[in-house]
Amino acid sequence: LAKTTQPISMDSYEGQEVNITCSHNNIATNDYITWYQQFPSQGPRFIIQGYKTKVTNEVASLFIPADRKSSTLSLPRVSLSDTAVYYCLVGGMDSSYKLIFGSGTRLLVRP
Amino acid sequence: NAGVTQTPKFQVLKTGQSMTLQCAQDMNHEYMSWYRQDPGMGLRLIHYSVGAGITDQGEVPNGYNVSRSTTEDFPLRLLSAAPSQTSVYFCASSYSSGTFYNSPLHFGNGTRLTVT
Repeated sequence: LAKTTQPISMDSYEGQEVNITCSHNNIATNDYITWYQQFPSQGPRFIIQGYKTKVTNEVASLFIPADRKSSTLSLPRVSLSDTAVYYCLVGGMDSSYKLIFGSGTRLLVRP
Repeated sequence: NAGVTQTPKFQVLKTGQSMTLQCAQDMNHEYMSWYRQDPGMGLRLIHYSVGAGITDQGEVPNGYNVSRSTTEDFPLRLLSAAPSQTSVYFCASSYSSGTFYNSPLHFGNGTRLTVT
């Protein structure tokens, strides 16, 4: 099982770009990397998923280097509503179905 | 489009009582799981299921039982509630075709449980 490590917390200001990095040194060949966002009193919700290089959707980008031992979630021009906890999750075909979340990164966006 | 539905939203139990947390999904997802989240903490996996009739233990299975008699439902049973089980419980589901990890988890809104 690929264990993930993220910063516990990050601060930013409205309008800035925020980059949250996740380390997953023992990622397996067929593992995918998925990021989730969680607001207080809600279940996590999917943000973005990737395997390698760069993935972009309407809310975020995900950068994965060639060795895939880390990944970076990039949130462009954050707003106050982006204040949340962000989790990266690693799992794939060679992994078990036991999906273990890390501790997550608590992002605070200030006005 | 209901997604993942959890009931009840809130529950208070006395120590020693038993109860069942309900989870239902209408997306025909094969994979379902239960997590608990203590205040200010991350998600910990309790039990999971890759299909009807198949269940397995997660990180923190003690004190909980599950069953999966249908694709839609995955109830979590607390056998004898303890104050240490005070937490928010989340149910999640995902499509599974052998490549389920390409399909993200869909979470319910949680059940907030207090054991006194």
